[in-house]
Amino acid sequence: NAGVTQTPKFRILKIGQSMTLQCTQDMNHNYMYWYRQDPGMGLKLIYYSVGAGITDKGEVPNGYNVSRSTTEDFPLRLELAAPSQTSVYFCASSKTVGDTQYFGPGTRLTVL
Amino acid sequence: RKEVEQDPGPFNVPEGATVAFNCTYSNSASQSFFWYRQDCRKEPKLLMSVYSSGNEDGRFTAQLNRASQYISLLIRDSKLSDSATYLCVVLYTGGFKTIFGAGTRLFVKA
Repeated sequence: NAGVTQTPKFRILKIGQSMTLQCTQDMNHNYMYWYRQDPGMGLKLIYYSVGAGITDKGEVPNGYNVSRSTTEDFPLRLELAAPSQTSVYFCASSKTVGDTQYFGPGTRLTVL
Repeated sequence: RKEVEQDPGPFNVPEGATVAFNCTYSNSASQSFFWYRQDCRKEPKLLMSVYSSGNEDGRFTAQLNRASQYISLLIRDSKLSDSATYLCVVLYTGGFKTIFGAGTRLFVKA
């Protein structure tokens, strides 16, 4: 099993550009999450999904959008990138809400 | 005050040492507790869940103190491979809220 995969691994964006971070899991998990991790800080939840077609905001959703058309995929969309969105983005999935979260390898994003 | 607080460290210990980390949380409605391990520039991985009665997994022991609102992680006989950042994670009831601490860095030296 591949687990949780994310693409791309690295990306540099210019201010105002847009991009989509891809996340796929092959564990048939209902719950999926997007986090960002800034240096020296804990992970902060951006958006989460409890199943296909259902998404909700986390702690820091501004500037991001998500969709969940299938169980496997949970892409994160950045519109109008800003330097404050420079971070490492992790996607995760879990079987239930209180279960172990399995993380992807992360996407390192720099906005210049 | 942060909802989940950890001493950032770093903790520098020799191989074979015993080291303990604490993590405090502010919301008494917390339901579930975990310790994750994160290696440099890698994704977090579950180290162990923390149960009310305390639990042990090999050299690792986790404890929960609900009255004082903290959890702890004890590592015995430290190995070089234990060098990592240890993240305290708290899941709250009454809503979908998982809070990660900023982590405690551990360096184990030969």
